[in-house]
Amino acid sequence: DQQVKQNSPSLSVQEGRISILNCDYTNSMFDYFLWYKKYPAEGPTFLISISSIKDKNEDGRFTVFLNKSAKHLSLHIVPSQPGDSAVYFCAASAQFGNEKLTFGTGTRLTIIP
Amino acid sequence: EAQVTQNPRYLITVTGKKLTVTCSQNMNHEYMSWYRQDPGLGLRQIYYSMNVEVTDKGDVPEGYKVSRKEKRNFPLILESPSPNQTSLYFCASSSEGTRSSYEQYFGPGTRLTVT
Repeated sequence: DQQVKQNSPSLSVQEGRISILNCDYTNSMFDYFLWYKKYPAEGPTFLISISSIKDKNEDGRFTVFLNKSAKHLSLHIVPSQPGDSAVYFCAASAQFGNEKLTFGTGTRLTIIP
Repeated sequence: EAQVTQNPRYLITVTGKKLTVTCSQNMNHEYMSWYRQDPGLGLRQIYYSMNVEVTDKGDVPEGYKVSRKEKRNFPLILESPSPNQTSLYFCASSSEGTRSSYEQYFGPGTRLTVT
């Protein structure tokens, strides 16, 4: 049972436009959410996170939005740059102190120059 | 340089031949984890460790063992590998204490093929 779902395996966006990556979850116990970025032949790197007490968190060009009632979060990248081309994983955790992270299946983002 | 290292990076082996994938971090992190990445399934946690001598199962622990005898090292052991363990494996570490412990640092990955 996939508790964290990324329904779009791939996404192509023109350089300079907004990229929106979506993630849905089913476990209502999840209270902390993260996005990771992965380039080929490298490990994932942490991008941005959000606690369930917030509905938005910004870091430069990256903004994560959380809609708890819909169990949905999204990552916005504005403006999109060629270096943003990568696979993006959404992840979630339940209860502080538990090191267990549940990841989604990933979305491959391609930025078209 | 702060990093998580894994060895080997690539490994082809045969069914039943015991193997160990090493993982080491130089950031004095308390938490360490192992994941496997498979097409269409994303990253799934195999085992994690909250400190020396403290380990626990993740989502897919069957067929794997781990140990945490030193803080910096967290080897993954496959006692009798099978073809369904062919995958890309990642080790990760993070520090405890705040929610930032979920912001894990990942190694470069080990691609394992079991024939």
